[in-house]
Amino acid sequence: AQSVSQHNHHVILSEAASLELGCNYSYGGTVNLFWYVQYPGQHLQLLLKYFSGDPLVKGIKGFEAEFIKSKFSFNLRKPSVQWSDTAEYFCAVNEGTGGFKTIFGAGTRLFVKA
Amino acid sequence: EAGVAQSPRYKIIEKRQSVAFWCNPISGHATLYWYQQILGQGPKLLIQFQNNGVVDDSQLPKDRFSAERLKGVDSTLKIQPAKLEDSAVYLCASSPYRGIATNEKLFFGSGTQLSVL
Repeated sequence: AQSVSQHNHHVILSEAASLELGCNYSYGGTVNLFWYVQYPGQHLQLLLKYFSGDPLVKGIKGFEAEFIKSKFSFNLRKPSVQWSDTAEYFCAVNEGTGGFKTIFGAGTRLFVKA
Repeated sequence: EAGVAQSPRYKIIEKRQSVAFWCNPISGHATLYWYQQILGQGPKLLIQFQNNGVVDDSQLPKDRFSAERLKGVDSTLKIQPAKLEDSAVYLCASSPYRGIATNEKLFFGSGTQLSVL
């Protein structure tokens, strides 16, 4: 069965620091990969996604993620965080063929100090 | 465009009572999902509909949970009877795509926060 692991449950950074959130998944076939974000008081929304092609994908608000197939990883990065990036970040995976059930990781709570 | 609508926003019940949640997806979205998000965890898929048919309900506790999407539009999720461990946020999401090759992003509602006392 698929599973998604996010390594850090809580991260605290100062503004302008660089961010990297880890995500690993277990599934040997073709996958689609996502990062969702939930800002305080808001609903979950898509940050970025990878289906195929360039393994480095760029999303909204300066976020990017790199798919490394050999490591089953899809880490999220941002070179310089802002206070407004305070949120919870979820990595998600679904199978590339059939079913398309989306599985979420446990999430990482990011707090950015102003 | 209008988003995914869910109601109620909050619900407090006692254990062994029944509760129902309602979801209206974005117009034209064929796929509808119910997720359970327990505090400190990621969303866990309970059931997935494609139009009015069930695609996946492998993680739905069928002895107490039921869901329907009769006309392929809005959906209800019911818990009867509720247990303390059902306390969670129940999220509804929808997606416009019907294909089996890939799946696009999910559009989430604001969720229903359930507290079982």
